[in-house]
Amino acid sequence: EPEVTQTPSHQVTQMGQEVILRCVPISNHLYFYWYRQILGQKVEFLVSFYNNEISEKSEIFDDQFSVERPDGSNFTLKIRSTKLEDSAMYFCARDAGSRETQYFGPGTRLLVL
Amino acid sequence: GDSVTQMEGPVTLSEEAFLTINCTYTATGYPSLFWYVQYPGEGLQLLLKATKADDKGSNKGFEATYRKETTSFHLEKGSVQVSDSAVYFCALFKTSYDKVIFGPGTSLSVIP
Repeated sequence: EPEVTQTPSHQVTQMGQEVILRCVPISNHLYFYWYRQILGQKVEFLVSFYNNEISEKSEIFDDQFSVERPDGSNFTLKIRSTKLEDSAMYFCARDAGSRETQYFGPGTRLLVL
Repeated sequence: GDSVTQMEGPVTLSEEAFLTINCTYTATGYPSLFWYVQYPGEGLQLLLKATKADDKGSNKGFEATYRKETTSFHLEKGSVQVSDSAVYFCALFKTSYDKVIFGPGTSLSVIP
């Protein structure tokens, strides 16, 4: 079973605060992705990351968001100044050897108050 | 743009009933198609996939066939169990844009 872990599992923050969501792929992979799911809504693509660079990003992924792989293992999503509408479940995903098949982590539930 | 449409839920079935969840897509070219499942309180799990026309994906008793002529990828299971209660997402992927596009999801509840 492919494994992607995410930390924290839940985070509550105040509006305007910075949050960092972390993803730890167990194996070495080249492609990583962040998606989000606002409660009761569809899963939306945020950004794809390949070889330490952003490959593609959606219109949701504005200047408040950034991604990096700081130590070659962890893959992070940073939201610089959270807004109420950033409250959602955030999923990290990695490729499964081919880009088309993506394995998702368990998600981080972010609540912005 | 490319998109995925699913039948609206929630769907409620009795145990051992036959399940069909309709999914149609709009996309240029030849996308790969997927079904993901999200059990209560959990993340997304890949259920099955098909990468070309007429391919049938199957897993855990679920099946879906890639129908290019009708741009559909309907999910079926012959006999559902209570443990199948979850939200099911139809999705597509194209290498030209390197992301998975999800449908809105269909909630399934199976009652004993």
